[in-house]
Amino acid sequence: DTGVSQDPRHKITKRGQNVTFRCDPISEHNRLYWYRQTLGQGPEFLTYFQNEAQLEKSRLLSDRFSAERPKGSFSTLEIQRTEQGDSAMYLCASSSGTGDGYTFGSGTRLTVV
Amino acid sequence: AQSVTQPDIHITVSEGASLELRCNYSYGATPYLFWYVQSPGQGLQLLLKYFSGDTLVQGIKGFEAEFKRSQSSFNLRKPSVHWSDAAEYFCAVGVPGTYKYIFGTGTRLKVLA
Repeated sequence: DTGVSQDPRHKITKRGQNVTFRCDPISEHNRLYWYRQTLGQGPEFLTYFQNEAQLEKSRLLSDRFSAERPKGSFSTLEIQRTEQGDSAMYLCASSSGTGDGYTFGSGTRLTVV
Repeated sequence: AQSVTQPDIHITVSEGASLELRCNYSYGATPYLFWYVQSPGQGLQLLLKYFSGDTLVQGIKGFEAEFKRSQSSFNLRKPSVHWSDAAEYFCAVGVPGTYKYIFGTGTRLKVLA
């Protein structure tokens, strides 16, 4: 297993455009998380999937954000009508249980210009 | 609400010196506790975790952490720092029965040759 993969590593987009990020978790992990990290801050929780079910969404996740995990494997995070404030590192993580600790991917760095 | 405090934003130590990074949490019971390390532009790597048992836990790369219930602390230590330890370190709390972790704002470690 190659760990958690995220694609792309970097994305530069113009304000108002839509972007989509992909995350491939560790295959035997049924839990998948998205976090956002801005400069000088720790990661902030965005959303959580157990298998294909999205069980929790943060209030940070505005209506412009949507996440899916259609077959309980990979996940996508879409941001519509991007704003400069969306510029951040978007981190995906997976785990097999709350106490096990996450395995993080390398992240997707989004820059909105 | 649960919170995590890392009071030191930056720490500088000389190579070979000992290290202690502080972490305090706010939660009524004993949560799951984690330390992660993040190199520039990378995702986070789990160093160690605690959720019960021996209050001194050993992790990877020669790190250890001690849980002190009376002080609500989970400080990270290393007896002799290597130049490759320069990175940002995050303490995190996982609340049993929930899905998410709460991260501190991080401590950036600089190692002098």
